[in-house]
Amino acid sequence: SQTIHQWPATLVQPVGSPLSLECTVEGTSNPNLYWYRQAAGRGLQLLFYSVGIGQISSEVPQNLSASRPQDRQFILSSKKLLLSDSGFYLCAWSQGYNSPLHFGNGTRLTVT
Amino acid sequence: EDKVVQSPLSLVVHEGDTVTLNCSYEVTNFRSLLWYKQEKKAPTFLFMLTSSGIEKKSGRLSSILDKKELFSILNITATQTGDSAVYLCAVVRDDKIIFGKGTRLHILP
Repeated sequence: SQTIHQWPATLVQPVGSPLSLECTVEGTSNPNLYWYRQAAGRGLQLLFYSVGIGQISSEVPQNLSASRPQDRQFILSSKKLLLSDSGFYLCAWSQGYNSPLHFGNGTRLTVT
Repeated sequence: EDKVVQSPLSLVVHEGDTVTLNCSYEVTNFRSLLWYKQEKKAPTFLFMLTSSGIEKKSGRLSSILDKKELFSILNITATQTGDSAVYLCAVVRDDKIIFGKGTRLHILP
């Protein structure tokens, strides 16, 4: 069966520090991969999505970036965190538009 | 611009009541609509809807899609305190998946 791993579960970082969040999927190949951010327990904001290795679509460029160095690995990065980057970051995968989205457990990021 | 709008944003009812949550959308290249339940962690999948007029049902929860009027509803009958959560609607357009802001449902005992 398929599983998605996302780490770390919680993270406290100072303003101006770098960020790297990693997500890997097991048990499937060529998944679509997604990064979402959720603030204040409400709707999910789509940050990036990828349909293949090296293919990244950006919805919210700002100071975040994403990379997909391997088929089942998706990384969210920042060179310098802002206070407004605090939130709940969720990685997710799907097998295309006829299948549902499956989420990792999320990372709670607090920028101080 | 793609839009997914959920209403109401917040709802408080008593245990045993029936609730209806709404999701309307405006997207190009619509593929499907997804419903999720979120408690204090990652969202869990409830339903995927692709065809109009076909009700999906799971226990006390049911959902239906109207592709002509561009909306979906999620019904919960005989609510229980364990139904308290944020309910999220998402629309799939090609490979992009867009979420609404969610409906926060609180069930009073």
